[in-house]
Amino acid sequence: GAVVSQHPSRVICKSGTSVKIECRSLDFQATTMFWYRQFPKQSLMLMATSNEGSKATYEQGVEKDKFLINHASLTLSTLTVTSAHPEDSSFYICSELPRGTDTQYFGPGTRLTVL
Amino acid sequence: AQSVSQHNHHVILSEAASLELGCNYSYGGTVNLFWYVQYPGQHLQLLLKYFSGDPLVKGIKGFEAEFIKSKFSFNLRKPSVQWSDTAEYFCAVNSGGGADGLTFGKGTHLIIQP
Repeated sequence: GAVVSQHPSRVICKSGTSVKIECRSLDFQATTMFWYRQFPKQSLMLMATSNEGSKATYEQGVEKDKFLINHASLTLSTLTVTSAHPEDSSFYICSELPRGTDTQYFGPGTRLTVL
Repeated sequence: AQSVSQHNHHVILSEAASLELGCNYSYGGTVNLFWYVQYPGQHLQLLLKYFSGDPLVKGIKGFEAEFIKSKFSFNLRKPSVQWSDTAEYFCAVNSGGGADGLTFGKGTHLIIQP
């Protein structure tokens, strides 16, 4: 199957700082990329959807000014958590939808801990 | 809005036992249905999916699922589990042509005892 990478896999930051998470498709071009958040022992919650060259569409309750998404190319999307707070600590997972398909491929996730 | 309910949060089985994990969804329109698996330390992988056609869908590693529209269900089955099936299993749905984000259930943690 298609390969999606995320970087970093783990990050610890101080409250008030910003953190950038990268999501790359390694062997295909992604029409659409998705960002999910997973709390401990809970399910994945869709945060936003982004299409290359367009502004991201955020789910209800997700602050677009706090979670900045940039879909710079067909192989790269970034999520920046701005002015991070401890409650932003979570597991962030991206997925990508290859052009012409209907199946999402998931990255390995990034564990964010805000102190 | 869509929602997905997985009834079994933790399941423990012995090897060779049969498996059925429940999944029910709530949505008024046409849905696409998925089962994903997450092995320890790995990313989510697609087991199988249903968009249309034969409601009995066969996936990888001997898994299958049946879409029962009248019951809004998409239960996952495997006739004989193996120790390597120990993992977290997620049922998910989306709508449209499959290009929408997914709504996930809370997952089922399956442990297979040798």
